[in-house]
Amino acid sequence: DVKVTQSSRYLVKRTGEKVFLECVQDMDHENMFWYRQDPGLGLRLIYFSYDVKMKEKGDIPEGYSVSREKKERFSLILESASTNQTSMYLCASSPHTGLANQETQYFGPGTRLLVL
Amino acid sequence: AQKVTQAQTEISVVEKEDVTLDCVYETRDTTYYLFWYKQPPSGELVFLIRRNSFDEQNEISGRYSWNFQKSTSSFNFTITASQVVDSAVYFCASMDTGRRALTFGSGTRLQVQP
Repeated sequence: DVKVTQSSRYLVKRTGEKVFLECVQDMDHENMFWYRQDPGLGLRLIYFSYDVKMKEKGDIPEGYSVSREKKERFSLILESASTNQTSMYLCASSPHTGLANQETQYFGPGTRLLVL
Repeated sequence: AQKVTQAQTEISVVEKEDVTLDCVYETRDTTYYLFWYKQPPSGELVFLIRRNSFDEQNEISGRYSWNFQKSTSSFNFTITASQVVDSAVYFCASMDTGRRALTFGSGTRLQVQP
């Protein structure tokens, strides 16, 4: 079974703090993604990566950065947390097969972040 | 750009009722992929089904069935004889074949009352 783990289920931070959200997958997947989930908006793509050291901006990258130093780990960084970044953050991974119909994404349990 | 619309924000049914969750998608791609995910109260998204644009066959898996109609750009999900354990938020999504990322609808919260 694919296993995607996220370092924290709940996190409380102060405005201006630097925040690290960690995601680890154990299936040797090349593709990794960060989404945020907000009521009424569904999930929105923040950043994604197809390989180590590689990153691409998603639809809402402002205020975030990412790091992928190892294949299994994809970190989301909030450089200076703000209250509008209070949200549920979900990490996902998928294999890179070259065939989109084989690249199902598997999700971690999510991190619920509260910025005060 | 892709867009997925789930017009039903919340549905409440009584156990054993059938329920259909609607999903309408927009895409300019000729080849595309559609998904349904379930998010139980625990928070983790659980993959339910993937459908390719070139395969319009409907699919049934136990109490779950999916109706894919390209003519109306819809990919609806039906639960037959609903159970309390079906209570969750359900998301419809499409895949951007360039980025391999998912575009999600806003989700439908299903509550099944005993």
